[in-house]
Amino acid sequence: RKEVEQDPGPFNVPEGATVAFNCTYSNSASQSFFWYRQDCRKEPKLLMSVYSSGNEDGRFTAQLNRASQYISLLIRDSKLSDSATYLCVRRDNYGQNFVFGPGTRLSVLP
Amino acid sequence: GAVVSQHPSWVICKSGTSVKIECRSLDFQATTMFWYRQFPKQSLMLMATSNEGSKATYEQGVEKDKFLINHASLTLSTLTVTSAHPEDSSFYICSAPLNYGYTFGSGTRLTVV
Repeated sequence: RKEVEQDPGPFNVPEGATVAFNCTYSNSASQSFFWYRQDCRKEPKLLMSVYSSGNEDGRFTAQLNRASQYISLLIRDSKLSDSATYLCVRRDNYGQNFVFGPGTRLSVLP
Repeated sequence: GAVVSQHPSWVICKSGTSVKIECRSLDFQATTMFWYRQFPKQSLMLMATSNEGSKATYEQGVEKDKFLINHASLTLSTLTVTSAHPEDSSFYICSAPLNYGYTFGSGTRLTVV
């Protein structure tokens, strides 16, 4: 089983829709999680960190469920500019390396 | 803000030639640099970790004699793809730890013909 798994999509949603992605992980060691956004042929950019208590940044809400070993990202009121690939990323707290999920592709349609 | 400058952004080369990719840390010292590769529609995969002044650590399945990494200074890490083949065509990207996060280079798209 891969360390970090995501549904590759694509998720095609209309503008204004709410869309949610899940990501599951297999390593139960102490670690941190992040959501990154990657546009086509560009470097990944940090969208937000993920905390067990849940955190919100504008239209984006991230949640971590350690018991079930999954992370979620909720996007409300989708914009055309939200179209991208969303990467679930895990970092071992004892190291520095990231493990990237395969990404979920989102297309927001007019 | 702190940036990793990666060059070239794209390169086309002939089979059998070597290509060098540079990542420079601007306004900070990068003692560690991660090198990733991403094939189309796939995830970023760690190739190797370079540490200033010591040998790079390669991930399983990555040929160290083919992908030469040099991290001779605190601001420069290079990846050289030697004797490139079409299957080496990919998106190569570097990343350096910075404070509590990471900063990525802008990536290099390599096409070997």
